[in-house]
Amino acid sequence: KAGVTQTPRYLIKTRGQQVTLSCSPISGHRSVSWYQQTPGQGLQFLFEYFSETQRNKGNFPGRFSGRQFSNSRSEMNVSTLELGDSALYLCASSSLGGSTEAFFGQGTRLTVV
Amino acid sequence: QKEVEQDPGPLSVPEGAIVSLNCTYSNSAFQYFMWYRQYSRKGPELLMYTYSSGNKEDGRFTAQVDKSSKYISLFIRDSQPSDSATYLCAMKVYKLSFGAGTTVTVRA
Repeated sequence: KAGVTQTPRYLIKTRGQQVTLSCSPISGHRSVSWYQQTPGQGLQFLFEYFSETQRNKGNFPGRFSGRQFSNSRSEMNVSTLELGDSALYLCASSSLGGSTEAFFGQGTRLTVV
Repeated sequence: QKEVEQDPGPLSVPEGAIVSLNCTYSNSAFQYFMWYRQYSRKGPELLMYTYSSGNKEDGRFTAQVDKSSKYISLFIRDSQPSDSATYLCAMKVYKLSFGAGTTVTVRA
């Protein structure tokens, strides 16, 4: 069974640009959550999507947005990039969200210059 | 005060030793508890998942949860150099709240 796939693995962007990251969850999983990992703040929750609907949202500015498609694949978009957005962005897949286990992808390392 | 407290270490042990990791938490609403292992530049890998107080064993790994004390632990027996990684505790209501992670080095 394939795991969680995130693309691209690495990105370098310039301040002010926007970026889109992609996540394909484990087959059959309907919940996708996104997390940002930085050395200073650790892992922080961005949002969760379930059956194409955003179910929960973390405490991030509106520049961070996402969506989920009917095949459960999810994208995350960051607009007007800032240097502080440099981080490892991780996607977690779970069958139903809630009480079920969450499995992470390898992440997309975003560097903003 | 952070919701989840975890000593970042670093922790260095000789091969074959028992590694003991722990986290405390303040949110009584947490119902599900996980331990992840993260190697450098990789995503976190789920090691243990539990939702009740008590012990859960899986091979060399034992997870303990004490909800009354709001304290969870992970023990790694017969540690190997390949266990060198950062270990993250995580707790869940609707989202995962993570500890800071403990960096462990197992010396050959």
